[in-house]
Amino acid sequence: GDSVTQMEGPVTLSEEAFLTINCTYTATGYPSLFWYVQYPGEGLQLLLKATKADDKGSNKGFEATYRKETTSFHLEKGSVQVSDSAVYFCALRRYGGSQGNLIFGKGTKLSVKP
Amino acid sequence: AAGVIQSPRHLIKEKRETATLKCYPIPRHDTVYWYQQGPGQDPQFLISFYEKMQSDKGSIPDRFSAQQFSDYHSELNMSSLELGDSALYFCASSSTREKGTGELFFGEGSRLTVL
Repeated sequence: GDSVTQMEGPVTLSEEAFLTINCTYTATGYPSLFWYVQYPGEGLQLLLKATKADDKGSNKGFEATYRKETTSFHLEKGSVQVSDSAVYFCALRRYGGSQGNLIFGKGTKLSVKP
Repeated sequence: AAGVIQSPRHLIKEKRETATLKCYPIPRHDTVYWYQQGPGQDPQFLISFYEKMQSDKGSIPDRFSAQQFSDYHSELNMSSLELGDSALYFCASSSTREKGTGELFFGEGSRLTVL
């Protein structure tokens, strides 16, 4: 079945450091890919998304590129801030008329120190 | 813009009691999803409804049931509660009618604590 694998955390960085959180997926067809963020004590917020190969999703300085050849959707940010401390979930969903649910990775906790 | 509304936000129950969570999807969204997130865990898919019919089923225990009503709101009913049911329960909605990326929109979650 479809699945998402994320690098395990926690990840601790200093402010202004470069961030990469790896995400790979297994899916039939052409899924849509997402990064969701969950701040402490809060719900899930969509951070960015991509629907087809070579699409780049970006938001708030975060970027991820849909790489079909490597089945990856790694999250990157050039300079993290303390306010970026949160849990990041990579997820996929089969689209194209499907009613499929989102399948999440295990999540990666990011802590950014001042 | 209207978002997914969940109630109650917090709920405390005793073992073996029952609990009902409610979800009001974004207007004109036709699909509702329920997820359970245990402490430090990723969200686990429980069940979904499309146009008031169950569309998919995940790891929902037999003690749980859910339905979607004519106004598209959904309720998750949990009976014979166990300590392990303590979790954050998310509802999400989406639309098959609108062109987009297949994004699911999540509510803030209902935190259930079973004592």
